[in-house]
Amino acid sequence: NAGVTQTPKFQVLKTGQSMTLQCAQDMNHEYMSWYRQDPGMGLRLIHYSVGAGITDQGEVPNGYNVSRSTTEDFPLRLLSAAPSQTSVYFCASSYRRGDYEQYFGPGTRLTVT
Amino acid sequence: GESVGLHLPTLSVQEGDNSIINCAYSNSASDYFIWYKQESGKGPQFIIDIRSNMDKRQGQRVTVLLNKTVKHLSLQIAATQPGDSAVYFCAENTSGTYKYIFGTGTRLKVLA
Repeated sequence: NAGVTQTPKFQVLKTGQSMTLQCAQDMNHEYMSWYRQDPGMGLRLIHYSVGAGITDQGEVPNGYNVSRSTTEDFPLRLLSAAPSQTSVYFCASSYRRGDYEQYFGPGTRLTVT
Repeated sequence: GESVGLHLPTLSVQEGDNSIINCAYSNSASDYFIWYKQESGKGPQFIIDIRSNMDKRQGQRVTVLLNKTVKHLSLQIAATQPGDSAVYFCAENTSGTYKYIFGTGTRLKVLA
C-alpha cells in the first residue's frame, strides 16, 4: 500500500490564484481530513469527510473547498489564495472517525506571495 | 518542515538515555490519545495510542502514561537513538467525534 499520498510537495502561488491540492489513499478508509500546520500551533482541521459524497467544515474552513466523489480521493481547493494561507497542508485518513489512528500524508508546503 | 518547529520547547538527551516528553491535554471528555512523531519535512507518524480506560501502554521502546486526574500524558522513549530526533506531539479525541485536538509539540534532540 502507498498509504496517503499528496501532490504537489511544494507550491508557490500569487495572491488571488486558485489551485487544488491532491490527496489519495489506498487503504479504503472512510474518514479523510485536511489540516494546516503553522509555526507554534498544533494541526488545525480545515475540512473532513466521513465517506464519499459527505463533507463538512472543520475549525478553519474559510477560503477552502473540498469534495469527495470517491473513497480514495479528497482534493482541497484554494479559491483565491491569500498570504494567510501560507502553510504546510496535511491530508489524513483513518478507518473511521474518532478513536482510530489517523495516517498522514507527506504534506504540501504552500507559499502565497 | 523546519519552519514549523522554530519556537518549540526542546528536550536534549544523550544517546542511550531515556527520554520523557510531556503533554497536558485540554478536554476532560477526551478518551483517546495518540502520540505522533514528525521528522523534518515529513508528515506526522503514529507512535502509540492509549484509551482512557488504561493508565499505561507499552510499545517497542516506548511507553505512554495517562493521568486523567491532572489531564496529563507522557511519552517515554527507552535507550534514545539518533533516529529518535524529531518533533513529538500528542493528540486527543472524544470517541465518535471527528475532532482531534493537537498539541504544539516538543523537539527531541539526541546528542551523540
